[in-house]
Amino acid sequence: GALVYQYPRRTICKSGTSMRMECQAVGFQATSVAWYRQSPQKTFELIALSTVNSAIKYEQNFTQEKFPISHPNLSFSSMTVLNAYLEDRGLYLCGARETVSNERLFFGHGTKLSVL
Amino acid sequence: GDSVTQKEGLVTLTEGLPVMLNCTYQTIYSNAFLFWYVHYLNESPRLLLKSSTDNKRTEHQGFHATLHKSSSSFHLQKSSAQLSDSALYYCALGGSNAKLTFGKGTKLSVKS
Repeated sequence: GALVYQYPRRTICKSGTSMRMECQAVGFQATSVAWYRQSPQKTFELIALSTVNSAIKYEQNFTQEKFPISHPNLSFSSMTVLNAYLEDRGLYLCGARETVSNERLFFGHGTKLSVL
Repeated sequence: GDSVTQKEGLVTLTEGLPVMLNCTYQTIYSNAFLFWYVHYLNESPRLLLKSSTDNKRTEHQGFHATLHKSSSSFHLQKSSAQLSDSALYYCALGGSNAKLTFGKGTKLSVKS
C-alpha cells in the first residue's frame, strides 16, 4: 500500500535556529507534495505545493526564504523552517499524491515543532 | 478564495447514537472534490470519504456522506457511533488548483 514516512516526529529547537523535516513516499510516486502547518488551536494551513519538475508554489504568508522546500525526486521531499520563533511552533504535515489533480493525499505522521 | 466551515469543534455522543458532523464549503470551482479525513491520536490523517458527484451518497467503514452542491454541504454521518470512532474529523475541499483546504476540524468523543 501507499505510505508516507515523515521524520522526525517531534523536535525542539532554540529560538532563531533552524530545523529540517523530511518525507519519504513508499509504494507510489509522489509527483505532488503539499506541506501544511497546524498551529495551536488552528486548522491545517497550506504552506506550499511542490510538483516534481515545476516551480514550488507558496501560499500567502509563507515564503521560500523562510520555508525552503526540496523535492528532488518522486519519493522524497524536505522542508526546513529557518530562524524558528515561537509563532512557528505547531504540527507540520506533508501530504503526497501521484497526480497533480484532485486525488487523495497520503499524509505522514507529522513533525511536531516546539520552539524554546 | 476557497473555504470550509465545520461549525462544531467538539461533538460528544453516547455509543450507539447516530453521528452527524457538519461541513459546508465555498468555492467558485464547479468540479470541486470534497473529502473527509479522520485523524486518530499519534497517527497520520487518513482519507475516510471523498466525492465530487452531486447528490450521490458515498460510504466507507460505516460512515456516509452526500455532496449537495445546491447547499454546498458534505455532512458526515453514521447510524451508530462506536467508541473507536473517537477522533478528529476534518472536512477538506479540493479546488481548481489541486490545493486542499481544510476545515477547523471536529473532535468526536464517543462515550459508553
